[in-house]
Amino acid sequence: AQTVTQSQPEMSVQEAETVTLSCTYDTSESDYYLFWYKQPPSRQMILVIRQEAYKQQNATENRFSVNFQKAAKSFSLKISDSQLGDAAMYFCSLYSGNTGKLIFGQGTTLQVKP
Amino acid sequence: DTAVSQTPKYLVTQMGNDKSIKCEQNLGHDTMYWYKQDSKKFLKIMFSYNNKELIINETVPNRFSPKSPDKAHLNLHINSLELGDSAVYFCASSQMAFQETQYFGPGTRLLVL
Repeated sequence: AQTVTQSQPEMSVQEAETVTLSCTYDTSESDYYLFWYKQPPSRQMILVIRQEAYKQQNATENRFSVNFQKAAKSFSLKISDSQLGDAAMYFCSLYSGNTGKLIFGQGTTLQVKP
Repeated sequence: DTAVSQTPKYLVTQMGNDKSIKCEQNLGHDTMYWYKQDSKKFLKIMFSYNNKELIINETVPNRFSPKSPDKAHLNLHINSLELGDSAVYFCASSQMAFQETQYFGPGTRLLVL
């Protein structure tokens, strides 16, 4: 079975500081993708960043970057220069190429303090 | 222009009623999905259709029936609503089946009283 675990229910960061959200996953497949989605209070699910498992290079999108440790099955999200608009719930997710399913972690609520 | 849209955004209804949620995507995608987000914010896939054909059918009560009249639309009909059906339902789409990047609609908050 495939699982995604986010062990931090809540995190907080000071505006302009850096914060890292943790995620671990488990899969026996070789063909998979990892994602971070953001869900602000508006509840819209917004794709933040994606990582192909076959790529060693960590993905980056502006202030967002990941630390993908394939052997450890770890996929953390780093948000640099945090902004008030980054406050949201963040979901780590795993896509299985075999089943076509997207599996989500429990979510981490990020608070950004001014 | 909204890529994936859902109607209604909010739905309040009584137990035992039947209701439908509609989803439309204008991205030209072949594959559409329904997800349920429960009160603890846990998101889980329910169904997926590819070109009007059901390809993913998770363990969901048969009171839930998806219908895809064409590849741009995927509706969710729920019969005999129960309190436990209260949740946010998200529609999503991807370019094709077994394609990893999915785009989500704004969600429909369903409250069963």
